Amino acid sequence: EAGVVQSPRYKIIEKKQPVAFWCNPISGHNTLYWYRQNLGQGPELLIRYENEEAVDDSQLPKDRFSAERLKGVDSTLKIQPAELGDSAVYLCASSLDGGNQNEQFFGPGTRLTVL
Amino acid sequence: DAKTTQPPSMDCAEGRAANLPCNHSTISGNEYVYWYRQIHSQGPQYIIHGLKNNETNEMASLIITEDRKSSTLILPHATLRDTAVYYCIVRVASYGQNFVFGPGTRLSVLP
Repeated sequence: EAGVVQSPRYKIIEKKQPVAFWCNPISGHNTLYWYRQNLGQGPELLIRYENEEAVDDSQLPKDRFSAERLKGVDSTLKIQPAELGDSAVYLCASSLDGGNQNEQFFGPGTRLTVL
Repeated sequence: DAKTTQPPSMDCAEGRAANLPCNHSTISGNEYVYWYRQIHSQGPQYIIHGLKNNETNEMASLIITEDRKSSTLILPHATLRDTAVYYCIVRVASYGQNFVFGPGTRLSVLP
């Protein structure tokens, strides 16, 4: 069974440029998460989807970040414009549902470097 | 903020048991203890979780103290592939409750 797929794995851009990350969750998983991980720290939740609905986006910097999950499957996370402080690893995860004891399965992440 | 406290780093000799402690003195009665690990350049990976009873699976054992204020993750025979950052997380296992990751413990398994 394929795991969570993310692309690209690495991205280098100049500040003020836009960037987008793509995530394909495990088949059948209703809940999808985007996390940001700064160097030496644990992942921090940006947004959580239940099917196509964003049910928790309280930590998403809405002035420059946006996300969508069309048809409740794949998701994209966009930053426009990127700033130097956005350099981090962006992780996507999915779970069967958002509650109970279901574990989250993480993708390998996209490492973003903003110059 | 994370509700757990872990040592920033630990070493373990290959083949020996690795015992990773976690303090969660403010844990609530309905919060579970979860452990994830993150190998370099990969996303976090689920290891084990428990409420109050000790748990064991093919990867590790989880020992939770009777007062539930601390726990220990045990890797019985550590290998070099177990070198990773280990995260201890407490979470209510219900809809809408997110995982809050702290900085974790960086475990180095030494040959």
